[in-house]
Amino acid sequence: DTGVSQDPRHKITKRGQNVTFRCDPISEHNRLYWYRQTLGQGPEFLTYFQNEAQLEKSRLLSDRFSAERPKGSFSTLEIQRTEQGDSAMYLCASSWGLAGVDTGELFFGEGSRLTVL
Amino acid sequence: EDQVTQSPEALRLQEGESSSLNCSYTVSGLRGLFWYRQDPGKGPEFLFTLYSAGEEKEKERLKATLTKKESFLHITAPKPEDSATYLCAVQAGDYGQNFVFGPGTRLSVLP
Repeated sequence: DTGVSQDPRHKITKRGQNVTFRCDPISEHNRLYWYRQTLGQGPEFLTYFQNEAQLEKSRLLSDRFSAERPKGSFSTLEIQRTEQGDSAMYLCASSWGLAGVDTGELFFGEGSRLTVL
Repeated sequence: EDQVTQSPEALRLQEGESSSLNCSYTVSGLRGLFWYRQDPGKGPEFLFTLYSAGEEKEKERLKATLTKKESFLHITAPKPEDSATYLCAVQAGDYGQNFVFGPGTRLSVLP
């Protein structure tokens, strides 16, 4: 198992363009998370999937952001009409958990760094 | 709203000089408190989970403790390879998978 992989690792785009990030979680993990991290800050929760169902979404998340996890495997995070404030590291994490059983151990990928010019 | 603060923001230690990092939290119904380590350009790496006040966990030179309002990460005789940002996170409420992270403490251990 190679862990959580994210692609691309770096993306530079112009304001107003759309970007898409892909995350491949650890294969046996049923939970998948997207976080955003800016310099000097901790990761900020964006959204969470259990299998293919998107169960939680941050209230702070703009409707320009959309995430999918078809068939409960890989996930994509799309940002439409990017703005300079979207520049950040986008982190994906996965874990295995059942209702009432939660170790809190998230396995993070190395992130996709977005720069919006 | 759930909040997590960490102090100090940055800490510089000499190799072998023990110290502690603090994580203070304000949540309704703590389900778990977690410590992660993050190296530059990498994703966070899980260290510990603490569930209730009085609980302690140890791993090599690291020891995490939990009270009702804060957690400490004690680093005993640190080595340069312990240099990293240490993040604290909490999970609160009856359900949900929203882990709230603090801003981290940036630790530098000088040889």
